Amino acid sequence: SYVLTQPPSVSVAPGKTAKIACGGNNIGTKSVHWYQQKPAQAPLLVIYDESDRPSGIPDRFSGSNSGNTATLTISSVEAGDEADYYCQVWDSNTDHYVFGTGTKVTVL
Amino acid sequence: QLHLLESGPGLVKPSETLSLTCTLSGGSMTTTPHFWGWIRQPPGKGLEWLGSISYSGNSYQNPSLRGRLTISVDTSKRQFSLELASVTAADTAVYYCSRHAGEYVVHPSDLWGQGALVTVSS
Repeated sequence: SYVLTQPPSVSVAPGKTAKIACGGNNIGTKSVHWYQQKPAQAPLLVIYDESDRPSGIPDRFSGSNSGNTATLTISSVEAGDEADYYCQVWDSNTDHYVFGTGTKVTVL
Repeated sequence: QLHLLESGPGLVKPSETLSLTCTLSGGSMTTTPHFWGWIRQPPGKGLEWLGSISYSGNSYQNPSLRGRLTISVDTSKRQFSLELASVTAADTAVYYCSRHAGEYVVHPSDLWGQGALVTVSS
Protein backbone atom coordinates (compact mmCIF):
# COMPACT_ATOMS: atom_id res chain seq x y z
CA SER A 1 0.00 0.00 0.00
CA TYR A 2 0.98 3.62 -0.46
CA VAL A 3 3.16 5.04 2.31
CA LEU A 4 3.72 8.68 3.26
CA THR A 5 6.76 9.44 5.41
CA GLN A 6 7.24 12.61 7.46
CA PRO A 7 10.01 13.60 9.87
CA PRO A 8 8.85 13.04 13.46
CA SER A 9 9.77 16.54 14.54
CA VAL A 10 10.83 19.97 13.30
CA SER A 11 12.05 22.78 15.55
CA VAL A 12 12.02 26.40 14.50
CA ALA A 13 12.62 29.78 16.13
CA PRO A 14 9.87 32.40 16.10
CA GLY A 15 9.93 34.47 12.95
CA LYS A 16 11.85 31.84 11.00
CA THR A 17 10.62 29.41 8.35
CA ALA A 18 9.60 25.81 8.96
CA LYS A 19 9.55 23.25 6.17
CA ILE A 20 7.78 19.94 6.66
CA ALA A 21 8.44 17.20 4.13
CA CYS A 22 6.05 14.45 3.10
CA GLY A 23 7.70 11.69 1.11
CA GLY A 24 5.88 9.23 -1.12
CA ASN A 25 6.45 7.40 -4.39
CA ASN A 26 5.67 9.86 -7.20
CA ILE A 27 3.70 12.02 -4.81
CA GLY A 28 4.18 14.83 -7.31
CA THR A 29 1.46 13.23 -9.42
CA LYS A 30 -1.08 13.36 -6.59
CA SER A 31 -3.07 16.07 -4.84
CA VAL A 32 -1.79 16.62 -1.33
CA HIS A 33 -3.73 18.01 1.61
CA TRP A 34 -2.18 19.23 4.87
CA TYR A 35 -3.79 19.33 8.31
CA GLN A 36 -2.75 21.05 11.53
CA GLN A 37 -3.70 19.41 14.82
CA LYS A 38 -3.22 21.08 18.17
CA PRO A 39 -3.41 19.08 21.42
CA ALA A 40 -6.89 17.79 22.23
CA GLN A 41 -8.34 19.37 19.09
CA ALA A 42 -9.64 18.03 15.82
CA PRO A 43 -7.44 18.47 12.76
CA LEU A 44 -7.74 21.67 10.75
CA LEU A 45 -7.24 21.82 7.00
CA VAL A 46 -4.47 24.33 6.21
CA ILE A 47 -3.52 23.45 2.61
CA TYR A 48 -5.41 21.49 -0.04
CA ASP A 49 -4.50 20.37 -3.54
CA GLU A 50 -0.84 20.91 -2.58
CA SER A 51 -0.88 24.72 -2.55
CA ASP A 52 -4.37 26.16 -2.02
CA ARG A 53 -5.38 27.71 1.28
CA PRO A 54 -8.88 27.47 2.79
CA SER A 55 -10.55 30.68 3.81
CA GLY A 56 -9.12 31.97 7.09
CA ILE A 57 -5.72 30.31 6.80
CA PRO A 58 -2.95 32.93 6.77
CA ASP A 59 -0.73 33.21 3.72
CA ARG A 60 2.22 32.26 5.93
CA PHE A 61 1.18 28.70 5.10
CA SER A 62 2.12 27.46 1.65
CA GLY A 63 2.65 24.15 -0.07
CA SER A 64 4.54 22.62 -2.96
CA ASN A 65 4.76 19.19 -4.50
CA SER A 66 7.22 17.64 -6.93
CA GLY A 67 8.83 14.29 -7.59
CA ASN A 68 8.74 12.18 -4.44
CA THR A 69 8.30 14.99 -1.90
CA ALA A 70 5.54 17.39 -0.96
CA THR A 71 6.43 20.26 1.37
CA LEU A 72 4.44 22.41 3.74
CA THR A 73 6.16 25.72 4.45
CA ILE A 74 5.29 27.95 7.38
CA SER A 75 6.85 31.40 7.10
CA SER A 76 7.34 33.85 9.96
CA VAL A 77 6.51 31.10 12.44
CA GLU A 78 4.49 32.09 15.49
CA ALA A 79 4.05 30.34 18.81
CA GLY A 80 0.50 29.47 17.80
CA ASP A 81 1.81 27.35 14.92
CA GLU A 82 3.11 24.76 17.36
CA ALA A 83 1.17 21.63 16.49
CA ASP A 84 1.26 18.28 14.74
CA TYR A 85 1.01 18.43 10.95
CA TYR A 86 -0.20 15.62 8.68
CA CYS A 87 -0.11 15.25 4.93
CA GLN A 88 -2.81 13.27 3.13
CA VAL A 89 -3.25 11.90 -0.36
CA TRP A 90 -5.84 9.86 -2.20
CA ASP A 91 -4.31 6.63 -3.50
CA SER A 92 -6.18 6.06 -6.74
CA ASN A 93 -4.67 2.58 -7.14
CA THR A 94 -6.52 1.28 -4.09
CA ASP A 95 -9.20 3.98 -3.76
CA HIS A 96 -8.40 5.02 -0.25
CA TYR A 97 -6.89 7.91 1.66
CA VAL A 98 -3.47 7.72 3.23
CA PHE A 99 -2.19 9.99 5.99
CA GLY A 100 1.45 10.77 6.58
CA THR A 101 3.10 9.73 9.81
CA GLY A 102 2.84 13.23 11.23
CA THR A 103 5.37 15.92 12.20
CA LYS A 104 5.46 17.73 15.50
CA VAL A 105 6.46 21.35 15.02
CA THR A 106 8.05 22.94 18.07
CA VAL A 107 8.52 26.68 18.27
CA LEU A 108 11.66 27.38 20.26
CA GLN B 1 -22.69 27.73 11.41
CA LEU B 2 -22.24 24.09 10.49
CA HIS B 3 -21.25 21.62 13.17
CA LEU B 4 -20.63 17.89 13.29
CA LEU B 5 -21.04 15.91 16.49
CA GLU B 6 -20.13 12.29 17.11
CA SER B 7 -22.22 10.22 19.49
CA GLY B 8 -22.14 6.67 20.75
CA PRO B 9 -20.86 4.42 23.53
CA GLY B 10 -17.49 5.32 24.97
CA LEU B 11 -16.77 1.75 26.01
CA VAL B 12 -17.10 -1.38 23.88
CA LYS B 13 -16.22 -4.95 24.81
CA PRO B 14 -13.74 -6.94 22.72
CA SER B 15 -15.32 -8.91 19.84
CA GLU B 16 -18.39 -6.67 19.88
CA THR B 17 -19.42 -3.99 17.37
CA LEU B 18 -18.47 -0.34 17.77
CA SER B 19 -21.23 1.99 16.60
CA LEU B 20 -21.00 5.75 16.19
CA THR B 21 -23.27 8.35 14.65
CA CYS B 22 -22.33 11.77 13.36
CA THR B 23 -25.02 14.46 13.28
CA LEU B 24 -24.83 17.60 11.18
CA SER B 25 -26.36 20.75 12.62
CA GLY B 26 -26.78 24.17 11.07
CA GLY B 27 -27.39 22.93 7.54
CA SER B 28 -28.59 20.24 5.18
CA MET B 29 -26.71 17.24 3.82
CA THR B 30 -28.39 17.57 0.43
CA THR B 31 -28.40 21.27 -0.42
CA THR B 32 -24.99 20.78 -1.97
CA PRO B 33 -23.56 17.28 -2.39
CA HIS B 34 -20.65 16.22 -0.19
CA PHE B 35 -18.84 13.12 0.89
CA TRP B 36 -18.81 12.39 4.62
CA GLY B 37 -15.95 10.60 6.32
CA TRP B 38 -14.62 8.84 9.40
CA ILE B 39 -11.06 9.12 10.69
CA ARG B 40 -9.59 7.76 13.90
CA GLN B 41 -6.56 8.43 16.06
CA PRO B 42 -5.28 5.94 18.65
CA PRO B 43 -3.97 7.60 21.82
CA GLY B 44 -0.61 9.25 21.12
CA LYS B 45 -0.57 8.12 17.50
CA GLY B 46 -1.33 9.47 14.05
CA LEU B 47 -4.46 9.79 11.94
CA GLU B 48 -6.03 6.86 10.09
CA TRP B 49 -8.74 7.31 7.46
CA LEU B 50 -11.47 4.70 7.90
CA GLY B 51 -13.92 5.41 5.12
CA SER B 52 -16.17 7.93 3.41
CA ILE B 53 -19.69 7.92 1.99
CA SER B 54 -21.54 10.21 -0.38
CA TYR B 55 -24.96 11.68 0.27
CA SER B 56 -26.33 9.06 -2.14
CA GLY B 57 -24.63 6.14 -0.39
CA ASN B 58 -21.58 5.56 -2.58
CA SER B 59 -18.76 4.57 -0.21
CA TYR B 60 -15.06 3.90 0.03
CA GLN B 61 -13.29 2.05 2.86
CA ASN B 62 -9.77 1.53 4.12
CA PRO B 63 -8.80 -1.97 2.95
CA SER B 64 -6.84 -2.49 6.19
CA LEU B 65 -10.15 -2.91 8.02
CA ARG B 66 -10.75 -6.13 6.09
CA GLY B 67 -14.50 -5.83 5.71
CA ARG B 68 -15.20 -5.06 9.39
CA LEU B 69 -16.49 -1.58 8.59
CA THR B 70 -19.96 -0.49 7.57
CA ILE B 71 -20.75 3.14 6.81
CA SER B 72 -24.25 4.41 6.16
CA VAL B 73 -25.97 7.75 5.65
CA ASP B 74 -29.46 9.05 6.45
CA THR B 75 -29.80 12.48 4.92
CA SER B 76 -33.32 12.97 6.30
CA LYS B 77 -31.88 12.80 9.81
CA ARG B 78 -28.71 14.66 8.78
CA GLN B 79 -26.70 11.75 10.09
CA PHE B 80 -24.12 9.26 8.94
CA SER B 81 -22.94 6.27 10.91
CA LEU B 82 -20.05 3.89 11.41
CA GLU B 83 -20.12 0.29 12.57
CA LEU B 84 -16.87 -1.56 13.20
CA ALA B 85 -17.26 -5.25 13.94
CA SER B 86 -15.13 -7.65 15.98
CA VAL B 87 -13.23 -4.92 17.79
CA THR B 88 -10.03 -5.43 19.73
CA ALA B 89 -7.95 -3.18 21.96
CA ALA B 90 -6.22 -1.94 18.80
CA ASP B 91 -9.47 -0.20 17.85
CA THR B 92 -9.28 2.06 20.90
CA ALA B 93 -9.07 5.57 19.50
CA VAL B 94 -10.62 8.99 19.16
CA TYR B 95 -13.04 8.71 16.26
CA TYR B 96 -13.65 11.83 14.17
CA CYS B 97 -16.35 12.42 11.62
CA SER B 98 -15.77 14.92 8.85
CA ARG B 99 -17.24 16.54 5.78
CA HIS B 100 -15.36 16.49 2.52
CA ALA B 101 -15.23 19.90 0.87
CA GLY B 102 -17.15 18.78 -2.20
CA GLU B 103 -19.02 16.05 -3.98
CA TYR B 104 -15.96 13.94 -4.71
CA VAL B 105 -14.11 11.83 -2.19
CA VAL B 106 -10.81 13.38 -3.31
CA HIS B 107 -11.90 16.69 -1.81
CA PRO B 108 -10.22 17.24 1.56
CA SER B 109 -12.00 17.22 4.91
CA ASP B 110 -12.83 20.83 5.66
CA LEU B 111 -15.20 20.35 8.61
CA TRP B 112 -14.55 18.04 11.54
CA GLY B 113 -16.41 16.89 14.61
CA GLN B 114 -14.82 17.29 18.01
CA GLY B 115 -14.01 13.59 18.20
CA ALA B 116 -15.29 10.78 20.41
CA LEU B 117 -13.03 8.54 22.47
CA VAL B 118 -13.98 4.90 22.22
CA THR B 119 -12.21 2.42 24.46
CA VAL B 120 -12.29 -1.30 23.78
CA SER B 121 -12.03 -3.17 27.05
CA SER B 122 -13.79 -5.88 28.99
